[in-house]
Amino acid sequence: NAGVTQTPKFRVLKTGQSMTLLCAQDMNHEYMYWYRQDPGMGLRLIHYSVGEGTTAKGEVPDGYNVSRLKKQNFLLGLESAAPSQTSVYFCASSQGGTVRSGNTIYFGEGSWLTVV
Amino acid sequence: DQQVKQNSPSLSVQEGRISILNCDYTNSMFDYFLWYKKYPAEGPTFLISISSIKDKNEDGRFTVFLNKSAKHLSLHIVPSQPGDSAVYFCAASAQHLQGAQKLVFGQGTRLTINP
Repeated sequence: NAGVTQTPKFRVLKTGQSMTLLCAQDMNHEYMYWYRQDPGMGLRLIHYSVGEGTTAKGEVPDGYNVSRLKKQNFLLGLESAAPSQTSVYFCASSQGGTVRSGNTIYFGEGSWLTVV
Repeated sequence: DQQVKQNSPSLSVQEGRISILNCDYTNSMFDYFLWYKKYPAEGPTFLISISSIKDKNEDGRFTVFLNKSAKHLSLHIVPSQPGDSAVYFCAASAQHLQGAQKLVFGQGTRLTINP
């Protein structure tokens, strides 16, 4: 049972390069999320999606774009990478949209990105 | 502006004793609180949660306490086991217009259980 899978796991980019992180979930979840985690800070929400074909901005969306063309996939793009985007990126998914309903958010294993 | 704070970056506890992890929040609109556990090179996994209408929730060795007047919650692990060594994140949720689960995370506390 794969759950939430992220590719690639590790990547080194030069400033100005572009790349796409791919997230795939096999749980038929409606909601998907991209977070970043930086030292001394909690996970911060970059973008999220409430269903196929939808995207919305989270807490720190600048410098990133996302797409949800298929329900099971959520792509995070960096158009022109900057050193400030060096971070660990986590994709997540959930069936429901409200924590009160008991829906748990499931996280992927993370993607380590370094921008030099 | 850190709405959810975990002021202890690390905590070391002897095996078999109680581990207490603390979390403070500032936003009174938060209505659900969660704890996630994270091992190195893995994603966070859900541990336990509590609604703002309760003051305690227990699940086996894990108990979360909520003090709304103090805007403080804590996670108790009794007895602590070596496998509990991990980073623990406190998270809070407030209803969002589109219904998505927008969680606000604390910085995390690294718990080490010593044999």
